[in-house]
Amino acid sequence: KAGVTQTPRYLIKTRGQQVTLSCSPISGHRSVSWYQQTPGQGLQFLFEYFSETQRNKGNFPGRFSGRQFSNSRSEMNVSTLELGDSALYLCASSFIFAGTSGENEQFFGPGTRLTVL
Amino acid sequence: AQSVSQHNHHVILSEAASLELGCNYSYGGTVNLFWYVQYPGQHLQLLLKYFSGDPLVKGIKGFEAEFIKSKFSFNLRKPSVQWSDTAEYFCAVEGNTPLVFGKGTRLSVIA
Repeated sequence: KAGVTQTPRYLIKTRGQQVTLSCSPISGHRSVSWYQQTPGQGLQFLFEYFSETQRNKGNFPGRFSGRQFSNSRSEMNVSTLELGDSALYLCASSFIFAGTSGENEQFFGPGTRLTVL
Repeated sequence: AQSVSQHNHHVILSEAASLELGCNYSYGGTVNLFWYVQYPGQHLQLLLKYFSGDPLVKGIKGFEAEFIKSKFSFNLRKPSVQWSDTAEYFCAVEGNTPLVFGKGTRLSVIA
């Protein structure tokens, strides 16, 4: 079956702009998580959605937001971009959400490379 | 809060050498443990996972890891590395919060 897909794959924006990234999970998966990957900070959790509800949120400013649609597709939005937002943004999908007892394996997409100039 | 520590930032090995990458975590409750690999230009792929049961887990491409609960460790091993194992390796832990990743270990395998 098809894996996690993310669009666009590459994006260049300037400071102050806003950006929306999209993620389509594996068919049947209802949980979508977003991560930011940078050389300095590594992989950091942004937020997780399950059945259109935000279940968990990482330690990022309010400029970072997300949502999930009824078909489990998810978008994340970053407003008022800063240079430090340049990163690879990864989306992962799974059957269940984090903290649920059980075997929760996440499958990652290829990421969106965001460059802020 | 959970945290994950990977001891080695960059490891350089010759082909056929044995590999062990360290991973320690801090969380006192039940955990799910993972090793992911990111080959150059590719996305994160799951190498292996531990949920419960036998603490020695085998993954893809000849990798294995051992969960030692008393040491809060989940070290990754491979008896004989190949050039194609050159990649970045991430240990990750899920306890009562979403996945927390270590900073990663870059493995370079030279001929």
